[in-house]
Amino acid sequence: QQQVKQSPQSLIVQKGGISIINCAYENTAFDYFPWYQQFPGKGPALLIAIRPDVSEKKEGRFTISFNKSAKQFSLHIMDSQPGDSATYFCAAQTGANNLFFGTGTRLTVIP
Amino acid sequence: DGGITQSPKYLFRKEGQNVTLSCEQNLNHDAMYWYRQDPGQGLRLIYYSQIVNDFQKGDIAEGYSVSREKKESFPLTVTSAQKNPTAFYLCASSSPGARSWGYTFGSGTRLTVV
Repeated sequence: QQQVKQSPQSLIVQKGGISIINCAYENTAFDYFPWYQQFPGKGPALLIAIRPDVSEKKEGRFTISFNKSAKQFSLHIMDSQPGDSATYFCAAQTGANNLFFGTGTRLTVIP
Repeated sequence: DGGITQSPKYLFRKEGQNVTLSCEQNLNHDAMYWYRQDPGQGLRLIYYSQIVNDFQKGDIAEGYSVSREKKESFPLTVTSAQKNPTAFYLCASSSPGARSWGYTFGSGTRLTVV
């Protein structure tokens, strides 16, 4: 059973546009929600993360929006650039060693 | 620089062979993990270890084995019992005591059966 559901599976955005990736979860014990960015042939790298006591976290062009009551969270990439083209994974975690990944979204930013 | 080193980057295995993938970290992390990634797929957990000399099966442990004799090292053996081993293998580590619970990943090993 997929603990974290992620959509869409793939996304094509024009340069300068906004990329939005959505995730949903059921387990209310999750208390840490990271996003990972993976370029082809590389390992995922932690991009940005949020804890459920805040509704939004912004780092540069990347923003996580978190809706605790709906058990949903999303990644927004503002002013998307071709260099943002990668696969993005949302994840949810309980404790420090119990991480569950979404299935990934392949983002392509067209120049 | 602190990080995770996976080797080799590419590995070719003949049918019926066992192969071992190396994972070394110098982050002083207690926990280490092995994931398998198939094309267009998410990450599936193979094995994890929270402490030296102890490890647990993940979701797809059949056909794989691990050891954790040192804190820094967590090698993965892909045995001949794994019927479809061609995949991208990722090692990761984390530290329960860290303020950030994020996992640190290595650059991966791409295993191909020939």
